[in-house]
Amino acid sequence: EVQLVQSGAEVKKPGESLKISCKGSGYSFTDYWIGWVRQMPGKGLEWMGIIYPGDSDTRYSPSFQGQVTISVDKSISTAYLQWSTLKASDTAMFYCARFVSSSWYVDNWGQGTLVTVSS
Amino acid sequence: SYVLTQPPSVSVAPGQTARITCGGNNIGSKGVHWYQQKPGQAPVLVVSDDSHRPSGIPERLSGSNSGNTATLTISRVEAGDEADYYCQVWDSSGDHTSYFFGTGTKVTVL
Repeated sequence: EVQLVQSGAEVKKPGESLKISCKGSGYSFTDYWIGWVRQMPGKGLEWMGIIYPGDSDTRYSPSFQGQVTISVDKSISTAYLQWSTLKASDTAMFYCARFVSSSWYVDNWGQGTLVTVSS
Repeated sequence: SYVLTQPPSVSVAPGQTARITCGGNNIGSKGVHWYQQKPGQAPVLVVSDDSHRPSGIPERLSGSNSGNTATLTISRVEAGDEADYYCQVWDSSGDHTSYFFGTGTKVTVL
């Protein structure tokens, strides 16, 4: 069974850094792109970026370029999303998602990581 | 940037048919995917490539795509269909590829 298991909820202060994770199992982790999707409270889904674990090729949405960093450690089948300086406006649920590259849809989602940034 | 427009809400009585539209410039030339998201849960793929249902998705859910509008149709609506629904496409501009979600539609079962 394909599973994407994300790290737990985080509460941080503005200005702090953060790295959340997404561990894949039940499939060949290096064969599928992993994306990150933001959902702000009460709002819709926004694609942030995507990484190919096989060679770490990474692409960002223009809206998130420079705001976050996506990385991967294929030795432990884990993708990461990190911030160097959090803002209150980063408060959201973040999902990792396995993309099927033949048509670029998501066939499996992580359970989500809630990030709360508040002073 | 490629904009996908959905109606904010659709209300339907049990047993009736709900149609959720997703508008985009020449969207008929793209593959459209649909996701269902229930409160407090991660999204779930319900239709890929315009009209393909993943295993486990009931035949009551179907998709179509033509011209500037893609449509997700839910026949014989049940209480369990109450959720937010999002369309999604990918689009390339120059050497940059992006993956766009629609604005989302909340389906309410009366």
